[in-house]
Amino acid sequence: AQKVTQAQTEISVVEKEDVTLDCVYETRDTTYYLFWYKQPPSGELVFLIRRNSFDEQNEISGRYSWNFQKSTSSFNFTITASQVVDSAVYFCALSEARGTTDSWGKLQFGAGTQVVVTP
Amino acid sequence: GAVVSQHPSRVICKSGTSVKIECRSLDFQATTMFWYRQFPKQSLMLMATSNEGSKATYEQGVEKDKFLINHASLTLSTLTVTSAHPEDSSFYICSARAPGGRTDTQYFGPGTRLTVL
Repeated sequence: AQKVTQAQTEISVVEKEDVTLDCVYETRDTTYYLFWYKQPPSGELVFLIRRNSFDEQNEISGRYSWNFQKSTSSFNFTITASQVVDSAVYFCALSEARGTTDSWGKLQFGAGTQVVVTP
Repeated sequence: GAVVSQHPSRVICKSGTSVKIECRSLDFQATTMFWYRQFPKQSLMLMATSNEGSKATYEQGVEKDKFLINHASLTLSTLTVTSAHPEDSSFYICSARAPGGRTDTQYFGPGTRLTVL
């Protein structure tokens, strides 16, 4: 069984503040993928990052950065110098990679964290 | 990047009618597509996995006779909500898996908001 926990329901920050979104996952597999998606008010999911379980290197993309800690089963996401356009719901997701057609690609989503950035 | 479209984007229907939602991968062939459902202020829940040329695999608790899925081609999957009722009102999102071995990932459609009166 796999599970993704996003304990923060909503985070409110003022523009230019940093915000960190927590994601803790559970899986019995040794090979898996972790994702972050952004869902703005329009509803469309925007892919942000995918990380496989063998790559624990942290990643930075512009104002976004991700911290993958396999030892604590966490894949946290930080937005630096937040902007109003960052206001959205952010989902962390897990996909187990069993290599079969049935299991490959099924995403288990966390509950999501609503980020509200005010000017 | 890969693009997935959904049609319609929004539909309002009367209780008891059936509604068909289309999901298309526009610039790649998708052997596998997924259908998710999202209630307001909740997460996405996987409903079923749609494989081209075979029957869909439904998640536990999802009625296969209620939510008919057809994946007739490598670029099109359809979800039909049969005899829709107000409790079926939800945001339905499809995704398509772009194959690429270890680098494949899912691309999501823009979603279809269904309101059943």
